[in-house]
Amino acid sequence: DTAVSQTPKYLVTQMGNDKSIKCEQNLGHDTMYWYKQDSKKFLKIMFSYNNKELIINETVPNRFSPKSPDKAHLNLHINSLELGDSAVYFCASRASWGGNTGELFFGEGSRLTVL
Amino acid sequence: QKEVEQDPGPLSVPEGAIVSLNCTYSNSAFQYFMWYRQYSRKGPELLMYTYSSGNKEDGRFTAQVDKSSKYISLFIRDSQPSDSATYLCVRLNDYKLSFGAGTTVTVRA
Repeated sequence: DTAVSQTPKYLVTQMGNDKSIKCEQNLGHDTMYWYKQDSKKFLKIMFSYNNKELIINETVPNRFSPKSPDKAHLNLHINSLELGDSAVYFCASRASWGGNTGELFFGEGSRLTVL
Repeated sequence: QKEVEQDPGPLSVPEGAIVSLNCTYSNSAFQYFMWYRQYSRKGPELLMYTYSSGNKEDGRFTAQVDKSSKYISLFIRDSQPSDSATYLCVRLNDYKLSFGAGTTVTVRA
């Protein structure tokens, strides 16, 4: 039973298109994240939601819009895709009641290629 | 300046060698540190966490934090080919986890 699942795993699309990536966790966690991993493997935080409320919003273009319909889901919609958006996007979740030792659980990643 | 700086390597060692990985961080506020391991085409998974200066051991793995010099280290003893992965050091402060660039390690059989 997958703990953090993302769909789709692979996405190839043209510049200018709009696409969405979905994430669901069945761990009962209250905090979810989106990270972007570039070709050099650097993981950069994009957004975080706690109990459906946005708590972290790093300097991300407003073409990226996260949505959390409930605690178990965090989706990412990207408008007007650009070449530089090509990356692997990871969803993650953790329990905030774990304090500062709360482990972050990652999905397997969604590999986005913009042509 | 990135919050956590990590030498990206890559690092290639023979089986049985000791692997030494290092990170430095810039913010002195009290915080927790973790090491994550990421296999190719997979999501990162927690390897170890620590929040105090000194050493923490877990089997063949030892995590070390030196808060005076803002240095985080991970040592892998008796390395195995299955240890071949990218290792990411992580600083945790409130809700935010800041990742280093990751060091890719290959253990040759």
